[in-house]
Amino acid sequence: AQSVAQPEDQVNVAEGNPLTVKCTYSVSGNPYLFWYVQYPNRGLQFLLKYITGDNLVKGSYGFEAEFNKSQTSFHLKKPSALVSDSALYFCAVRDDPPNDYKLSFGAGTTVTVRA
Amino acid sequence: DTAVSQTPKYLVTQMGNDKSIKCEQNLGHDTMYWYKQDSKKFLKIMFSYNNKELIINETVPNRFSPKSPDKAHLNLHINSLELGDSAVYFCASSKTRNYEQYFGPGTRLTVT
Repeated sequence: AQSVAQPEDQVNVAEGNPLTVKCTYSVSGNPYLFWYVQYPNRGLQFLLKYITGDNLVKGSYGFEAEFNKSQTSFHLKKPSALVSDSALYFCAVRDDPPNDYKLSFGAGTTVTVRA
Repeated sequence: DTAVSQTPKYLVTQMGNDKSIKCEQNLGHDTMYWYKQDSKKFLKIMFSYNNKELIINETVPNRFSPKSPDKAHLNLHINSLELGDSAVYFCASSKTRNYEQYFGPGTRLTVT
């Protein structure tokens, strides 16, 4: 089965500094990778996805992610973090057929951006 | 014009009771999902329906029964509630495989 790992439970950055949230994946076929964000007491919101094509994927709210096949990573990045980016971030991977409707999520990384 | 809505938002009930959570999406999507998020925020798929057909049925106690009366609705019925069922349950929908999922606001279930 496909899986993702988020090695950091928490990431703390100062406002205006670059933000990186790490994700590594393990797949048997082509990776279909996603990033979601969850604000307190809210549902998850889609940020971006990688299916094929450019290794640098741009998403919502100024976020982007870099797909690296050799390092099996899909790190989420933002050049200049805002206090409002403080939230819980999930990396997810799609399963292979015939279970390809299923997403498996990482454990989540809590991001705190201090003013 | 909420995309994915769930009712109720909060549900407090006693052990042994039976309860239902309703979900509706107005996005025209073909696929709907139920997830459980535990107290450590770990998110796990429970069920998925595509065009009213059950396509994902994870290892979930058979006290949990999903029902999809049409493509826009997916309900979750839980029998004989247990303390361990306390969690936040999220409904989601997507066009089909490979497409991003849109999540509802969640239903916080507390079993006492």
